[in-house]
Amino acid sequence: ETGVTQSPTHLIKTRGQQVTLRCSSQSGHNTVSWYQQALGQGPQFIFQYYREEENGRGNFPPRFSGLQFPNYSSELNVNALELDDSALYLCASSLSPGSNTEAFFGQGTRLTVV
Amino acid sequence: AQSVTQLDSHVSVSEGTPVLLRCNYSSSYSPSLFWYVQHPNKGLQLLLKYTSAATLVKGINGFEAEFKKSETSFHLTKPSAHMSDAAEYFCVVSEEFGNEKLTFGTGTRLTIIP
Repeated sequence: ETGVTQSPTHLIKTRGQQVTLRCSSQSGHNTVSWYQQALGQGPQFIFQYYREEENGRGNFPPRFSGLQFPNYSSELNVNALELDDSALYLCASSLSPGSNTEAFFGQGTRLTVV
Repeated sequence: AQSVTQLDSHVSVSEGTPVLLRCNYSSSYSPSLFWYVQHPNKGLQLLLKYTSAATLVKGINGFEAEFKKSETSFHLTKPSAHMSDAAEYFCVVSEEFGNEKLTFGTGTRLTIIP
């Protein structure tokens, strides 16, 4: 078990709604990355936060946004949900960018949009 | 741009026989390469990583991988499969020092036949 926890584990939302997913990073880690894993696919990088600032973003629209708090926990917010947003959302925490250390993943939040 | 191609979506082997999961990569720079494993309802776990040191990398649970620059390959092997090895395996590349954006392959599902 890693020290990365995500909540909730599952949720169902209706198209057009907004959702907030949460991630608590491992102790001592100040960097959090978010990934989307569609069914049968590998995870895709959404964005990364380092010391409360966005530090890199993948090919996702602006309705995907995030926050990192002073305790390094993080939120992923998705507005105007679409059916294709249904996926497993994974959070990974690591030491500072460039430290070339392991990223530890949480178990994910399974989002279903109906 | 960086990418990885996992050549087999599904591999089946008998318990006690060797395992070979194939991965080719594409990268503009000297990449870092990883193999992650994902068991059902569990988070991603790092098996091993290559970061320009020894080309033969040993990981956890008896797995190892060899970095071959001339073939742009990073195949994962294990001498003797165990039932507990049944899982989804992802080959991953990272070349963007500064945010360690991970680019995942589409995954290989490993089935172990008793």
